[in-house]
Amino acid sequence: QLQLQESGPGLVKPSETLSLTCTVSGGSISSTSNYWGWIRQPPGKGMEWIGSIYYSGNTYYNPSLKSRVTISVDTSKNQFSLKLNSVTAADTAVYYCARHVEVETYGGNSEAFDIWGQGTMVTVSS
Amino acid sequence: QSVLTQPPSVSAAPGQKVTISCSGSSSNIGNNYVSWYQQVPGTAPKLLIYDNNKRPSGIPDRFSGSKSGTSATLGITGLQTGDEADYYCGTWDSSLSVVLFGGGTKLTVL
Repeated sequence: QLQLQESGPGLVKPSETLSLTCTVSGGSISSTSNYWGWIRQPPGKGMEWIGSIYYSGNTYYNPSLKSRVTISVDTSKNQFSLKLNSVTAADTAVYYCARHVEVETYGGNSEAFDIWGQGTMVTVSS
Repeated sequence: QSVLTQPPSVSAAPGQKVTISCSGSSSNIGNNYVSWYQQVPGTAPKLLIYDNNKRPSGIPDRFSGSKSGTSATLGITGLQTGDEADYYCGTWDSSLSVVLFGGGTKLTVL
């Protein structure tokens, strides 16, 4: 059974870089034609998609965060990672990694996050 | 506020039926597929519905989804206290080139 687990520092200083890793177990990150995504949720608020990556390294990002975000993949470790630079208090959130099932069809785009990590809380504070 | 509009809260009694709406536009719901997620406070979201009306394996048929024009609806029948959670819709926006989520709806089972 596929499982995802986020890891990384729970506290980041303002203006620094937030770095998180998602480890995929129970299956290969490159064995299925899926993307792998990052989603965040500020305390008491809704969810925001950050971006997603294919095992080949192809990425697409939320335009509102694109200038500060880098998502990368390491197939040898079965991991993908998130870097968000120049963080502020507004970046304080629970960060989730998830398997992103994305299909472009004649009828439109199908986007769904079907397997999620448990989430990790990241606080931006000095 | 979110591009996808959901009611902040809905409530119903155990055993009853409830619907949660998600309103968007032609650039998102109108021309793309909708998914729905259930999030029990303190836990990760769980996919309930994808491609407007399909249920992943393990999701009971008490949960259903539909779409009409630029709006989508999640239906839950036979409400149980365990259904108390926040529910989110999601879709792609072709104009913004972004995956969108609704603001979420808190379901209370009275």
